[in-house]
Formats: sequence, C-alpha cells, structure tokens
Amino acid sequence: ILNVEQSPQSLHVQEGDSTNFTCSFPSSNFYALHWYRWETAKSPEALFVMTLNGDEKKKGRISATLNTKEGYSYLYIKGSQPEDSATYLCAFSSNQGGKLIFGQGTELSVKP
Amino acid sequence: GEEVAQTPKHLVRGEGQKAKLYCAPIKGHSYVFWYQQVLKNEFKFLISFQNENVFDETGMPKERFSAKCLPNSPCSLEIQATKLEDSAVYFCASSHRDRDKNIQYFGAGTRLSVL
Repeated sequence: ILNVEQSPQSLHVQEGDSTNFTCSFPSSNFYALHWYRWETAKSPEALFVMTLNGDEKKKGRISATLNTKEGYSYLYIKGSQPEDSATYLCAFSSNQGGKLIFGQGTELSVKP
Repeated sequence: GEEVAQTPKHLVRGEGQKAKLYCAPIKGHSYVFWYQQVLKNEFKFLISFQNENVFDETGMPKERFSAKCLPNSPCSLEIQATKLEDSAVYFCASSHRDRDKNIQYFGAGTRLSVL
C-alpha cells in the first residue's frame, strides 16, 4: 500500500513568519512528487512538480526540496502573508501518466 | 480551453437516483483523471483515461460507477443508484502526455449531495 504522509496537519502563524511543511512518500517506484495549493470550493493549484533527487524549486516566496532516497519533500514559505492561507497538498506518482496519491494536506492559517 | 471545466458545480440527488458529472479537459491534454474527495482534504483516485481508453481503473468501485471519455465530447462520470456515502466532491484533472512530468491541472469540482 502506497502511503503519503504530511505534517503538521494544521499550522497557525502570524503574518511575516516563515514556515515549512513535510511530505513523506515511498522511496521505491518513484516518478514525480507534486505540491498543490488548495482553497475550498476552488481548483487545486499546481505549485511544483519535482522528479530528481536534490531538486529545488522556487516560486516567489515559496520553495520546495526533494529527497527521493529517503522519501521526503519540504515546502517552505518565507514571510507568510494572509493570502497564503490555504491547504497545501503533496502527491506522489509512480509512472508517466500515473494517478496521484495524495497526503492529507497541511492547513495553513496566517493571521494579519 | 485553457482550464479544466467541470459541470455542474453542485448536484443534488435522492438516494437511488442516477448522477452524471461532466469534465472538459484542457485542449491537447491526453490524460484525464477523476478523484473523489469525501473526508476533508482526502483525495481518492477513481479512474484515468489516455485519450478515450481506460488507463487505470484500480480506484473505481466495482458496482454503480462508470466513466467514459469519447472523442469530441466531455468526459463523464456516472453513478447509478446513488447512495448516501457517494456524497463527495468529484474532481477531474487533465495532463499533457510529455510536458512537465505529467503535472495535473484540476477543475473546481462537482459537489454531489445525496439526500
């Protein structure tokens, strides 16, 4: 059974704080690791897809790293803003065109 | 189009009635996926298509659920004789065959309420 775990489940921070979340996934049969940002009643928004061990991706204040040997990825948000409040989902795929296996998400709330 | 379009946004059915959900993938995308979100934040894979062919149906319930992706038509997910536990948000996603390691672009979902 393929399992993707995210921690923490929820996080409450003040505006300006930097924060990070963890995603752990199976290290065998790895093809890609995806991060999504999702607000209820909207489409999950693709942030990053990473495939190579050691990959680092950045988009504005958000960045992510990947370790395929030990099966984990970190998502970092620098200087959190209220508009960053959302659920951050990671998902693992094991082949081209393959289904995504999602973690339970980390709910981030940023207070002004 | 440039977005995955799902219709309707909300569907209400009485137990035992049929429900049919539609998804128009992004033009040029070869893969279409259906996911079911029942519990908060838990996205469960149902079925995927490569063009009009079933690619992976390992997540589809054996009974009552069926799906199609026919040429020149939106893809569809149909639930015969809905049950209370089918109440969920159903997301569709599409991806390009060769681009960006198959990053999946999601629609906004159809919320199915079975009463």
